[in-house]
Amino acid sequence: GQQVMQIPQYQHVQEGEDFTTYCNSSTTLSNIQWYKQRPGGHPVFLIQLVKSGEVKKQKRLTFQFGEAKKNSSLHITATQTTDVGTYFCAGLIMKTSYDKVIFGPGTSLSVIP
Amino acid sequence: DAGVIQSPRHEVTEMGQEVTLRCKPISGHDYLFWYRQTMMRGLELLIYFNNNVPIDDSGMPEDRFSAKMPNASFSTLKIQPSEPRDSAVYFCASSTIETGKDTQYFGPGTRLTVL
Repeated sequence: GQQVMQIPQYQHVQEGEDFTTYCNSSTTLSNIQWYKQRPGGHPVFLIQLVKSGEVKKQKRLTFQFGEAKKNSSLHITATQTTDVGTYFCAGLIMKTSYDKVIFGPGTSLSVIP
Repeated sequence: DAGVIQSPRHEVTEMGQEVTLRCKPISGHDYLFWYRQTMMRGLELLIYFNNNVPIDDSGMPEDRFSAKMPNASFSTLKIQPSEPRDSAVYFCASSTIETGKDTQYFGPGTRLTVL
């Protein structure tokens, strides 16, 4: 079946270092969303990418959607302790009768002060 | 807006008991999703509704699980009988086509422990 994978599973960085997580789908996606979940919290929507090759920025976060709409990345510049959490990508797959959103397994980010 | 409301926040029950989780979506949202999150399996979509109608329930683990949405402001997820392997955090999320139906707003979750 359709799968959305993320690497790495875990990442430990020193505060101030950059961080990147990659999301790959076995199927072409209609769009992709990114969510952040703080420890003990719930997923919170960050952004949605729709167009092939799209790049969006939110302060220190840069999101990219691949040309083939099968992969995406989230890059954080100069990490801070407030960036700690698990980052999920979620891809929208269009089926014949309905849509399906499939979440990746997430990348857990730890930031060492 | 109060956001998505879930109750209870924590539930501890014994194997074999019936468990009912409740969700109130954001007012005006016409999509509602139930997820289960565990360390082993991550975030799994169980079922989603559009305008109170179940659209995709392929993620519902087995017949012990059932979900209903009797009206636009209330949904339940029921497990009967519960088993220890059902222990997880259950999230409800809602969205609306007006702001992008794929932009989901999650509730705080219900942490279920089945002993």
